[in-house]
This record gives sequence, structure tokens and C-alpha cells, in this order.
Amino acid sequence: DAGVIQSPRHEVTEMGQEVTLRCKPISGHDYLFWYRQTMMRGLELLIYFNNNVPIDDSGMPEDRFSAKMPNASFSTLKIQPSEPRDSAVYFCASRRPGADTQYFGPGTRLTVL
Amino acid sequence: GQQLNQSPQSMFIQEGEDVSMNCTSSSIFNTWLWYKQDPGEGPVLLIALYKAGELTSNGRLTAQFGITRKDSFLNISASIPSDVGIYFCAGQLGYGGSQGNLIFGKGTKLSVKP
Repeated sequence: DAGVIQSPRHEVTEMGQEVTLRCKPISGHDYLFWYRQTMMRGLELLIYFNNNVPIDDSGMPEDRFSAKMPNASFSTLKIQPSEPRDSAVYFCASRRPGADTQYFGPGTRLTVL
Repeated sequence: GQQLNQSPQSMFIQEGEDVSMNCTSSSIFNTWLWYKQDPGEGPVLLIALYKAGELTSNGRLTAQFGITRKDSFLNISASIPSDVGIYFCAGQLGYGGSQGNLIFGKGTKLSVKP
């Protein structure tokens, strides 16, 4: 079975540019999570969806960040405009109904110059 | 909000040694999970614990759900070089996905000297 798929795996951009990260959850999973990982702050939950509906976005750092889940098999995390402090590894994870275990994607390493 | 304190932050051990790490919480959790993250990859689940006092093994790994429900422990026996990585604990307040998200510890970085 395919795991969580994220693209791109690496993204290098310049400050002020728009960045879009993509995630395809595992088929049949009804929860989708976006995390950010940095050395200083560890794994931070940004936002999560249940059945395509955003449930908690309190971890989204500021209005420059937005996330959408237009259908059960696709989600995006957008940063506009990007700043150097947004440089981090961004993970997407999904979870099947009634379970606790989250399955993580390989991550997108974002570098904002 | 809930916080998980994971210790130690890092360990540098000799191959063959046993490893212990733990996680403590200010809140009671009903589920504890342990993940491992290899360099350049996402975290992968190692062990899940659902009952206070539960002791569960997965090969050389053994994890325990503390009796107070505020802590959990992970032990690795006879470490090998491929055990290198970052180990995360994670807790959830509810059962069976009733609470949406997991609370993660900051991780324990394990380095193994051959």
C-alpha cells in the first residue's frame, strides 16, 4: 500500500515568493495533519482536518500560512509570502477512522533564502 | 496546554549497550505512542500503548505505559548502528481517535558508536 505522499521533497525559494506544499493521505484515512519540524522547536502541529474540514488551525503561525483540503485525497499548505524563518521540514500525516496512530509522509524540506 | 518532557535530549552510546529514555506529562494520557525518525525521513511508529501499566515489546524495543498515566518509557536492548535516529514519544488524551491530535515530545537523538 502506498504511504502518505508529499511533494516536492525539497524546495528552495527566495523570500517573498509563494510556496505550495502538497500531500496525498493514505486512502481511507479521514484525518490529515500538517506539522513543521525545526531544530529549535521540534515537531509543531500546524493544522488538522477531519473529513476534509479544518478542525484546529491554532498552530498556524500567522496569516501568511493557509491550508486546504478540497477532497479526501489531497491537501495543500501554502505560504505567501515566504520568509527565511519559514525554513523547516514540513510533514503531512494521516490517520484512519477510530485509530490513534498517525502515518507520516517523508516531508518537504523548505529553504527560504 | 499539555506538554511532554522527553529525556534525555541526546545519547551517545557504544554498540551493544542498552538504552533507556522516558517521557513525562503534566496531564494524564490514555494512549502513548513511540516513533522513530531516521535522517531525512518522517517519523515511523514503533510501539503503541493503550493501558496503564502495559508493557509491550517489538523486537529489541520494549515500552511501558506508566501506572500514573503521566509517563512512558522506551528501552532498546543491545543497540546496533541502525538504531541511530530521533525517538519521539507522543500522547493522546482520548481513545480510538476520539481526540484529534497527538502531543509530541521534543525527541531523543540517539547516536551509536560502532
